[in-house]
Amino acid sequence: GQNIDQPTEMTATEGAIVQINCTYQTSGFNGLFWYQQHAGEAPTFLSYNVLDGLEEKGRFSSFLSRSKGYSYLLLKELQMKDSASYLCAAMDSNYQLIWGAGTKLIIKP
Amino acid sequence: DGGITQSPKYLFRKEGQNVTLSCEQNLNHDAMYWYRQDPGQGLRLIYYSQIVNDFQKGDIAEGYSVSREKKESFPLTVTSAQKNPTAFYLCASSSTTADGETQYFGPGTRLLVL
Repeated sequence: GQNIDQPTEMTATEGAIVQINCTYQTSGFNGLFWYQQHAGEAPTFLSYNVLDGLEEKGRFSSFLSRSKGYSYLLLKELQMKDSASYLCAAMDSNYQLIWGAGTKLIIKP
Repeated sequence: DGGITQSPKYLFRKEGQNVTLSCEQNLNHDAMYWYRQDPGQGLRLIYYSQIVNDFQKGDIAEGYSVSREKKESFPLTVTSAQKNPTAFYLCASSSTTADGETQYFGPGTRLLVL
């Protein structure tokens, strides 16, 4: 079957770095997406990886290892506004997204 | 200003009532999607449409219906057959870009049963 695993909740300190891991199993693979979702709002697109390696976008970076079925989202210089849920989603061979349940990130001052 | 709009923001349904959620996009995207989000769960696909006048069932289509008469519009009807409709409903659209087949979401509609 198809499956996405990510931690339910993580806590980090303002100004620090946090890494949110995601493992996936899909029928075929057409990329790995990360979205940010603040409470009560819609998900917003953060990053897309389809090749192995690290993609950097400002304070956020995303890594993919296709052979391991593994990705992580790295958030640097954490700010209070980064408190949100982070959703990992893998695109299968039919170009359908398989979604994880999300990781709730709590930032403490 | 391009984007996806959903209305209403909150919707209340009485027992035995059908309700329709609106989704409109002006991004010129071909594909549109409806998801349901429940607390502590990932997004679940209800229906999707890759082209006008065509749509396919997702993982949880029972109790829902859709239409795609225009490229810009993809309304979702929650019928009385859906016994547990209370959820956050998200509409998305996508096109192929340098970021793959990225899906962009509307603000969502929260449906509550009276």
